[in-house]
Amino acid sequence: GAVVSQHPSWVICKSGTSVKIECRSLDFQATTMFWYRQFPKQSLMLMATSNEGSKATYEQGVEKDKFLINHASLTLSTLTVTSAHPEDSSFYICSARDLGRQGPSSTGELFFGEGSRLTVL
Amino acid sequence: AQSVTQPDIHITVSEGASLELRCNYSYGATPYLFWYVQSPGQGLQLLLKYFSGDTLVQGIKGFEAEFKRSQSSFNLRKPSVHWSDAAEYFCAVGGTIKAAGNKLTFGGGTRVLVKP
Repeated sequence: GAVVSQHPSWVICKSGTSVKIECRSLDFQATTMFWYRQFPKQSLMLMATSNEGSKATYEQGVEKDKFLINHASLTLSTLTVTSAHPEDSSFYICSARDLGRQGPSSTGELFFGEGSRLTVL
Repeated sequence: AQSVTQPDIHITVSEGASLELRCNYSYGATPYLFWYVQSPGQGLQLLLKYFSGDTLVQGIKGFEAEFKRSQSSFNLRKPSVHWSDAAEYFCAVGGTIKAAGNKLTFGGGTRVLVKP
């Protein structure tokens, strides 16, 4: 089945530093990946849609310069939290749909990564 | 705008008892509905999905859900819960890739605790 892998699973960093989180589709290609943020005991909030070969589309209220997204290939999207602060501490989850399975009329199934927990000291 | 409401923040159920999790949605077109389960510190696993057709949908791990358009609901059920079912459950609504860009809107989640 389709597998999405995130790395690292957890990371601790100092305030002011930048952290990069990778999202890879291991056995399928994905032109679109989605990045979510989840606060403790809360739901997932969509941050941005990552598009291969083009700029990401950010949801309202998400700082583009704070959360840099790059979708360099059909199997890799990265989220970089720049100048991280304690309030950026959260669980970040990516998801992707299988390009080969769906057309524009399909919702398609989204496959989720295992998440990356960021703690900023 | 699409939205999902899960009225129950947490539910405690005895092992072997039945479980029902409520989900109400708001969506302007034909909704595509999903239930996901999340174990602590983990990503999301799809339990089941409804696109069209039979309104009673069977999923993995013995779960099923019923789509009721008149009530804008998509409740999740399991006849007999196991201790391993303790987790957070999320209902989500989305549209077609063309109409909604495959974006999903999640409900607030329901945490299920299973008593021995």
